[in-house]
Amino acid sequence: DGGITQSPKYLFRKEGQNVTLSCEQNLNHDAMYWYRQDPGQGLRLIYYSQIVNDFQKGDIAEGYSVSREKKESFPLTVTSAQKNPTAFYLCASSIEKGGGSTDTQYFGPGTRLTVL
Amino acid sequence: SQELEQSPQSLIVQEGKNLTINCTSSKTLYGLYWYKQKYGEGLIFLMMLQKGGEEKSHEKITAKLDEKKQQSSLHITASQPSHAGIYLCGADPKYGNKLVFGAGTILRVKS
Repeated sequence: DGGITQSPKYLFRKEGQNVTLSCEQNLNHDAMYWYRQDPGQGLRLIYYSQIVNDFQKGDIAEGYSVSREKKESFPLTVTSAQKNPTAFYLCASSIEKGGGSTDTQYFGPGTRLTVL
Repeated sequence: SQELEQSPQSLIVQEGKNLTINCTSSKTLYGLYWYKQKYGEGLIFLMMLQKGGEEKSHEKITAKLDEKKQQSSLHITASQPSHAGIYLCGADPKYGNKLVFGAGTILRVKS
């Protein structure tokens, strides 16, 4: 089955620790995205990548870092610099149309991060 | 920047009743996506609208993009408990790969 997987489903972190969230897709999509979802708010874009070895900051990139060494994988690191990291994190992927336009994004099941 | 406002924020309907959720944009919509989310899970793609006046259906869910392309409505006919969840609209701002999302509408269906 083609799809997007995220792990772990639940993650607990102590203050001051970095933590990495995994996102893998086997849809052969070029573009991948990381969103943060907080209660009562829409999804906010953290980082996105249109091609391997390249990525761009989204609207709320501060305190986060990403890498894109493989087409299938787009891990997100939540660093200790992120002031309020407790949230639900969603990874998505899409076909890269080129010319600045996006195609339908398909989402993974999400990771809930709680800072203790 | 483009903003999307969804209304209502939440609603509770009796099973079998019809309902409508609206998504209003501050700018012209070039592509409007509807997703459904169950609490604590990922988003499921429902449908995408691009042309003014376009209407699409998926089972008992129908979405329409108005002629002026600044509002979309999602209509559910004869609601069922399986329709319960959070409905989110997302807009393609035409340039750039970033979708802008509304805050979502929480739907509960009472049986």
